[in-house]
Amino acid sequence: EPEVTQTPSHQVTQMGQEVILRCVPISNHLYFYWYRQILGQKVEFLVSFYNNEISEKSEIFDDQFSVERPDGSNFTLKIRSTKLEDSAMYFCATKIGGDYEQYFGPGTRLTVT
Amino acid sequence: RKEVEQDPGPFNVPEGATVAFNCTYSNSASQSFFWYRQDCRKEPKLLMSVYSSGNEDGRFTAQLNRASQYISLLIRDSKLSDSATYLCVVYRGNQFYFGTGTSLTVIP
Repeated sequence: EPEVTQTPSHQVTQMGQEVILRCVPISNHLYFYWYRQILGQKVEFLVSFYNNEISEKSEIFDDQFSVERPDGSNFTLKIRSTKLEDSAMYFCATKIGGDYEQYFGPGTRLTVT
Repeated sequence: RKEVEQDPGPFNVPEGATVAFNCTYSNSASQSFFWYRQDCRKEPKLLMSVYSSGNEDGRFTAQLNRASQYISLLIRDSKLSDSATYLCVVYRGNQFYFGTGTSLTVIP
């Protein structure tokens, strides 16, 4: 069964450093999402991406965040200057379209020290 | 008011019990509805979509009441492997809104 993959599985970085989290969506899926989940808290929407542009973003997704699909396969989330409070699981999710369900990747655990 | 509200639990039930989870959503324009399951430190996995006519998948039954803006999940004959957090998810305007999740532990 096709699945969403994410790399790395765990990233440790120092405060102020840039990180790039990578996702490979299911091949025929057209809508892409990033979420974060701080330990013990709920899944929070960051951004949705369709047709090579952002379609929705939350107030969490400020200027330090960016997304792109540089080569038509990978979907990346960049955090420019990480803060301690960025420590969380980051999940990529994709869906085929419309009202269909989304499928999640296994997540990247980001630890900012 | 939160987009999606769930009772966080925890629900601790014996094996074989029937357990029901409820969820309410605030925006009547919400388009589609889902239950996801999340195991500790893992990604959410789709359990089932929820339709107004109700739908069943084995031991799991989901119901949607659009008039009351209410979604439910019923688990019959609980198994130890059902222990997880159950997330109510609502889709509207190309955004998915998550509840905080309801924690279930099935006890031998």
